[in-house]
Amino acid sequence: AQKVTQAQTEISVVEKEDVTLDCVYETRDTTYYLFWYKQPPSGELVFLIRRNSFDEQNEISGRYSWNFQKSTSSFNFTITASQVVDSAVYFCAQVGFQGAQKLVFGQGTRLTINP
Amino acid sequence: GAVVSQHPSWVICKSGTSVKIECRSLDFQATTMFWYRQFPKQSLMLMATSNEGSKATYEQGVEKDKFLINHASLTLSTLTVTSAHPEDSSFYICSARDLWSGRGVDYEQYFGPGTRLTVT
Repeated sequence: AQKVTQAQTEISVVEKEDVTLDCVYETRDTTYYLFWYKQPPSGELVFLIRRNSFDEQNEISGRYSWNFQKSTSSFNFTITASQVVDSAVYFCAQVGFQGAQKLVFGQGTRLTINP
Repeated sequence: GAVVSQHPSWVICKSGTSVKIECRSLDFQATTMFWYRQFPKQSLMLMATSNEGSKATYEQGVEKDKFLINHASLTLSTLTVTSAHPEDSSFYICSARDLWSGRGVDYEQYFGPGTRLTVT
C-alpha cells in the first residue's frame, strides 16, 4: 500500500530563515516517482519537482533543494533564506509504476513565513 | 504547454440542486483524468479516475450515483454533483494525464486551478 507522511502540520519561521519540510513515504513499488507541490491561498497546485526512484541525486533550484534518501524512504524539501511569498501549503506525493498508478498525497505542511 | 482549465472557478448552489464542473485539457489530449476533493485544511483525496470513452473508476467510499463523471472526449471531463448537500461543499480539483505523447510517461499529472463549491 502507498502512504505519504508529512509529520509537520504547521511550520512558522521568520523571513530569511532556512526551513526543511519532511516527507516520508511507504510503497511496495520498486519503481516510483515522488513529487512536491505548493498550494498558495488561491488553491491552485504548483508543481515544484519530480524525482524518479532510480535517481537519488539531490537537486537544487534557486533557494529550493531536495534531499532524496531511498534508504530511509524520505524526500525532504529545504527552502533557504525563506521569503514571505513562500508561505503556502506544501504537499509531498508519490505514484508507483505498477498497479493502479494513483498519485497519493501527504497531509500537507502549512508554512508561514513571517516578516 | 500542458494547461488544464476548470469551469467554474467557484459556484454557490442551493441544497438539492445539481452542479456540473468542467475540466478541459487545453493543449494536449488527456487519455486519463482524475478528480480530487479537498476539504478545508486537509489533503487532496482522489475521488475517481476516468479514461476517455469508458466508465470512471471510483475510490472506495465515493458514491458513483452522486458524483457523475463523464469523459466523453480527449479534452473534456465533467463532474456532476447531483442533489448537492452542504456536506458536499469542498474544493474540487481535476488533473489530466496523456499517456500517448510522452507527457504521461513520467507519470506527471497536470492540475486544473480547482473549483470551490459551496452548497447552502
